[in-house]
Amino acid sequence: NAGVTQTPKFQVLKTGQSMTLQCAQDMNHEYMSWYRQDPGMGLRLIHYSVGAGITDQGEVPNGYNVSRSTTEDFPLRLLSAAPSQTSVYFCASSTGSHSPLHFGNGTRLTVT
Amino acid sequence: AQSVSQHNHHVILSEAASLELGCNYSYGGTVNLFWYVQYPGQHLQLLLKYFSGDPLVKGIKGFEAEFIKSKFSFNLRKPSVQWSDTAEYFCAVNAPGGSEKLVFGKGTKLTVNP
Repeated sequence: NAGVTQTPKFQVLKTGQSMTLQCAQDMNHEYMSWYRQDPGMGLRLIHYSVGAGITDQGEVPNGYNVSRSTTEDFPLRLLSAAPSQTSVYFCASSTGSHSPLHFGNGTRLTVT
Repeated sequence: AQSVSQHNHHVILSEAASLELGCNYSYGGTVNLFWYVQYPGQHLQLLLKYFSGDPLVKGIKGFEAEFIKSKFSFNLRKPSVQWSDTAEYFCAVNAPGGSEKLVFGKGTKLTVNP
């Protein structure tokens, strides 16, 4: 099994550009989430989903959109990139709150 | 809202020293507690978890954690660290049966000198 797959691994954007970070899991997990990791800030939840068609906001949702049309995929969209969105983004999935998160390998995004 | 506090930002130890990393959370009800580890350049991996039962939880690589409900704490321990334990450690908590959100602490960077 591939687990949680994130693409791309690295991305450089100019301010104002848009892009989509891809996340796919092959474990049939209902719960998926996106975090950003910044030095000294730990991981902060951006958006999460408890199943196909259901999404909700996390701690830092502004500037990001998500959708969950299938159980497997949970893309994260940056509508108009800003330098403050320079970060490492992790996608994670699990079967629910009693189960640990399985993380992808991350996407390092730089916005200039 | 739940919050998680990790008291130490950066801990530096020599090999064979004992380790204790502090973690406190703010939620007053039943919680699930986790410790994750992130080795340099890698993603987070589960170290151990507590849901219920014995408050002393054993994880991988010789790590353990003790849940003390009265202190809202879930400290991570290891009797003798190795150079390969150099990593960043994150405590996390969520409230079962409610929001599925997992809240992380800001992390503790551990450097073990050979």
